[in-house]
Amino acid sequence: KAGVTQTPRYLIKTRGQQVTLSCSPISGHRSVSWYQQTPGQGLQFLFEYFSETQRNKGNFPGRFSGRQFSNSRSEMNVSTLELGDSALYLCASSPGTGSNQPQHFGDGTRLSIL
Amino acid sequence: AQSVTQPDIHITVSEGASLELRCNYSYGATPYLFWYVQSPGQGLQLLLKYFSGDTLVQGIKGFEAEFKRSQSSFNLRKPSVHWSDAAEYFCAVGETSYDKVIFGPGTSLSVIP
Repeated sequence: KAGVTQTPRYLIKTRGQQVTLSCSPISGHRSVSWYQQTPGQGLQFLFEYFSETQRNKGNFPGRFSGRQFSNSRSEMNVSTLELGDSALYLCASSPGTGSNQPQHFGDGTRLSIL
Repeated sequence: AQSVTQPDIHITVSEGASLELRCNYSYGATPYLFWYVQSPGQGLQLLLKYFSGDTLVQGIKGFEAEFKRSQSSFNLRKPSVHWSDAAEYFCAVGETSYDKVIFGPGTSLSVIP
């Protein structure tokens, strides 16, 4: 069974631009969560989607948004990029939703803002 | 507020030595407990989980963890560390009434040959 696939693996953008990251979950998994990982803040929860609906949202500004498609694939968008958005963005999928679900992570997208 | 702490930011052990990584949490009810490992340049991989029952759980790669309710702890252990165990380790906690998982800050493990 294929794992969680995130594309692209690396991105370089400049301040003010916007970016879209993609995540394909494990087949059959309906929940997709997004995390931001930085050396200073660790793993920060962005949001979770289940059956195309946002179920949970972390404490991030509205510049961070996401969506999920009917095939459970998910995209995350960041608008008006800031230097502080440089991070590793991780996507995780699980069969269902809830805090008892073990998550399966992709290898992440490394976003660098110049 | 719910929180997860991993008191050790960085640990160095010799290959073949035993290992214990600490995790403490602050939750009201019986939590769902996880340990994940992240190798450089990769995502997180689940090592083991505890929901209920036997408080000593076995995971992959020879790891085990023990849930101690009285100490609000879920420490990860391995009897003999291999050089390939060098990685970042994250404890994570979920709770029924709090519908998302909180990750600890992580412990970085270095292994000396």
